[in-house]
Amino acid sequence: KAGVTQTPRYLIKTRGQQVTLSCSPISGHRSVSWYQQTPGQGLQFLFEYFSETQRNKGNFPGRFSGRQFSNSRSEMNVSTLELGDSALYLCASSLVDGRGLNEQFFGPGTRLTVL
Amino acid sequence: QKEVEQNSGPLSVPEGAIASLNCTYSDRGSQSFFWYRQYSGKSPELIMFIYSNGDKEDGRFTAQLNKASQYVSLLIRDSQPSDSATYLCAVKRSSASKIIFGSGTRLSIRP
Repeated sequence: KAGVTQTPRYLIKTRGQQVTLSCSPISGHRSVSWYQQTPGQGLQFLFEYFSETQRNKGNFPGRFSGRQFSNSRSEMNVSTLELGDSALYLCASSLVDGRGLNEQFFGPGTRLTVL
Repeated sequence: QKEVEQNSGPLSVPEGAIASLNCTYSDRGSQSFFWYRQYSGKSPELIMFIYSNGDKEDGRFTAQLNKASQYVSLLIRDSQPSDSATYLCAVKRSSASKIIFGSGTRLSIRP
């Protein structure tokens, strides 16, 4: 079974631009979560989508948004980029079954650099 | 107080010894607990999960959970240089809640 895929893998943008990142979950997984990882802040939760609805949200400004499509693929968008948005953006998918464990599996990430 | 706390390390362990990684959490209602391994420049990889008090063993790895003390640990037996990585502890309250990650412990296995 194919793992979580993220595109693009690397991205360079300038301040003020916007960016869209894409994530395809493992087949059959309905939940997609997004994280920002930086050396100073660690792994920070952005949001989670389940069945096309945002189920959980982290403490990030409104410039960060996301959506999920009917095939469970998800995109996240960052508008008006700032230097501090430079980070590794990770997507994780989970099955969401009756067990309640819902362990997450991560994609390879998108490395965003804002100049 | 952070929701999930880990010692940042680095924790240095000789090859062949047991590495012990610890994690405490603040939400007493937490139900599921995970350990991820992250190599430098790579994404986190799930290595263990546990949801009942006690020990759970998988190969060289043993996860230990004590809900009364709000404490979860990961033991790595016969440590290998390839175990050198950052280990992230993660906690989940319920099936619909988000997973909360600790900041990770950097483990270094010295030959």
